[in-house]
Amino acid sequence: ETGVTQTPRHLVMGMTNKKSLKCEQHLGHNAMYWYKQSAKKPLELMFVYSLEERVENNSVPSRFSPECPNSSHLFLHLHTLQPEDSALYLCASSQERQNYGYTFGSGTRLTVV
Amino acid sequence: GESVGLHLPTLSVQEGDNSIINCAYSNSASDYFIWYKQESGKGPQFIIDIRSNMDKRQGQRVTVLLNKTVKHLSLQIAATQPGDSAVYFCAESDSGGYQKVTFGTGTKLQVIP
Repeated sequence: ETGVTQTPRHLVMGMTNKKSLKCEQHLGHNAMYWYKQSAKKPLELMFVYSLEERVENNSVPSRFSPECPNSSHLFLHLHTLQPEDSALYLCASSQERQNYGYTFGSGTRLTVV
Repeated sequence: GESVGLHLPTLSVQEGDNSIINCAYSNSASDYFIWYKQESGKGPQFIIDIRSNMDKRQGQRVTVLLNKTVKHLSLQIAATQPGDSAVYFCAESDSGGYQKVTFGTGTKLQVIP
């Protein structure tokens, strides 16, 4: 593992379900991110938490709700999703004010049926 | 708006040859550039980075070149191996605060045995 662990690896959910994605980082970083990766599109930044405070929310629909209880854990709560929300959801972490790149998890492959 | 793009979506290279993946960026304020490799079923993995005060940086079998005049970035892989088959992303970032990284669409590198 890369130091950033995401669970589950795969998730199939119906449009009326509620589920949560979990991310945990073991690197001592203080910033965490959710990205959405769809086929043939650049990585889309969804949410940023820096020092456990949400600092960016890129106009993401309210059916996605992030939570960052501490600097090591990040959640993405999902409810009433649409089929077009099917994608790979990537969590990443970095150290604020130090440009050393992100460390990514392996992602959760989400399929909405 | 600012964007990071790639010249070619797919690159096929004979095993043992050198690979060159190109990238154009448009934000002249970006001062940090990263190449990521994403293998199937995995999250993006940091390969090599370069800061804007440099024009070349070498790693193990990889070299990144930065031409700030024409806002161009390239990744050179020497003696390409089957394990190099993946999607490669260039990304740009600026200093300070949480690290906001903008990604390109990605280039798929196929290594022909």
